[in-house]
Amino acid sequence: GAVVSQHPSRVICKSGTSVKIECRSLDFQATTMFWYRQFPKKSLMLMATSNEGSKATYEQGVEKDKFLINHASLTLSTLTVTSAHPEDSSFYICSASGGGNEQFFGPGTRLTVL
Amino acid sequence: SQQGEEDPQALSIQEGENATMNCSYKTSINNLQWYRQNSGRGLVHLILIRSNEREKHSGRLRVTLDTSKKSSSLLITASRAADTASYFCATDASGYGQNFVFGPGTRLSVLP
Repeated sequence: GAVVSQHPSRVICKSGTSVKIECRSLDFQATTMFWYRQFPKKSLMLMATSNEGSKATYEQGVEKDKFLINHASLTLSTLTVTSAHPEDSSFYICSASGGGNEQFFGPGTRLTVL
Repeated sequence: SQQGEEDPQALSIQEGENATMNCSYKTSINNLQWYRQNSGRGLVHLILIRSNEREKHSGRLRVTLDTSKKSSSLLITASRAADTASYFCATDASGYGQNFVFGPGTRLSVLP
């Protein structure tokens, strides 16, 4: 149980376009979802925390207008990278929590902005 | 801010040897969790140890926690080539799975 999926797993886009990444909890209701960013050979940096039906809480330094997060249901959260630039290229990982101690992580999405 | 710090940042051992990775943190925690990440993949939860626990085992994994020193260690015994991955500790101050703080990770290479 506790499976989290992400889609797409890999995306390449042109500079200036927007990209949407989906995160789904497949077998449990995720009251909270988290979005992380990971640079090569680096650790995970929390970008934002979202609770179903409410606005996401962004970490310091993360632009909320650039990284739009929607958590419309207990099984789906989306991250939209708006007007993407090459510096937004990264590995984006979501995780979901059903209220317990653990976060269950998705497989990640590799974004490459040309 | 990052408070978990793994040591060493990279570790290379031969198959069959034991691998020990350490994690230090700065503030009080409810629990500490270890994760594994294969290259370019998501994180796999390995083990959770609560602040009132000192040691936990899971298969070939042994985790210790010393809250007085604010440190934890992950021991992998009889390592295999398939153990090659990055290992991260994450601290949870809330106890509700919120606000994880990840360390920089240890890249473990197990050579056949």
